[in-house]
Amino acid sequence: KAGVTQTPRYLIKTRGQQVTLSCSPISGHRSVSWYQQTPGQGLQFLFEYFSETQRNKGNFPGRFSGRQFSNSRSEMNVSTLELGDSALYLCASSLAGGHANEKLFFGSGTQLSVL
Amino acid sequence: DQQVKQNSPSLSVQEGRISILNCDYTNSMFDYFLWYKKYPAEGPTFLISISSIKDKNEDGRFTVFLNKSAKHLSLHIVPSQPGDSAVYFCAAKGAGSARQLTFGSGTQLTVLP
Repeated sequence: KAGVTQTPRYLIKTRGQQVTLSCSPISGHRSVSWYQQTPGQGLQFLFEYFSETQRNKGNFPGRFSGRQFSNSRSEMNVSTLELGDSALYLCASSLAGGHANEKLFFGSGTQLSVL
Repeated sequence: DQQVKQNSPSLSVQEGRISILNCDYTNSMFDYFLWYKKYPAEGPTFLISISSIKDKNEDGRFTVFLNKSAKHLSLHIVPSQPGDSAVYFCAAKGAGSARQLTFGSGTQLTVLP
């Protein structure tokens, strides 16, 4: 069974540009979550999608948005990039995302550098 | 406001000895706790978890202890191996429609041969 796939692995952008990151969950998984990892800050929750609907959202500005398609694939978009957006963006999938003992499976991430 | 805190950014341990990684939380609504391990250039992978109705869970060399009154959990690795060198993240879930995970900032464990 293929794992969570994120593309691209690396991305370099300049301030003011926008970027779209892609995530393909494990087959059969319907919940996709996005996290931002920066040094010393751990993983910060961005949002979670289930059945094409945003089910939960973290404390990030509106420049960060996402969507989920009918095949559960998800995209994350960041508009008007700032230097502070440089981070590793991780996508995670789970079956349904609603149970306490349900595990998240993470992709390898997209490393975004904003110059 | 960090609801899950890992106060030690790094820890070095000799091979064969015990590694103890600590985690504190502030939200009393958290009822499920997990540890994830992350190698460079890879995503975090699930290691072990514990429900708030228990105070200990063991899986091979890994044991997680939960002290609810102190809002503290710890991960014990015995014996530690060089392959255990990674960043360890503590995470917690609370009641809610989506049960999102709240992560700590991570502890870099280095096991010296």
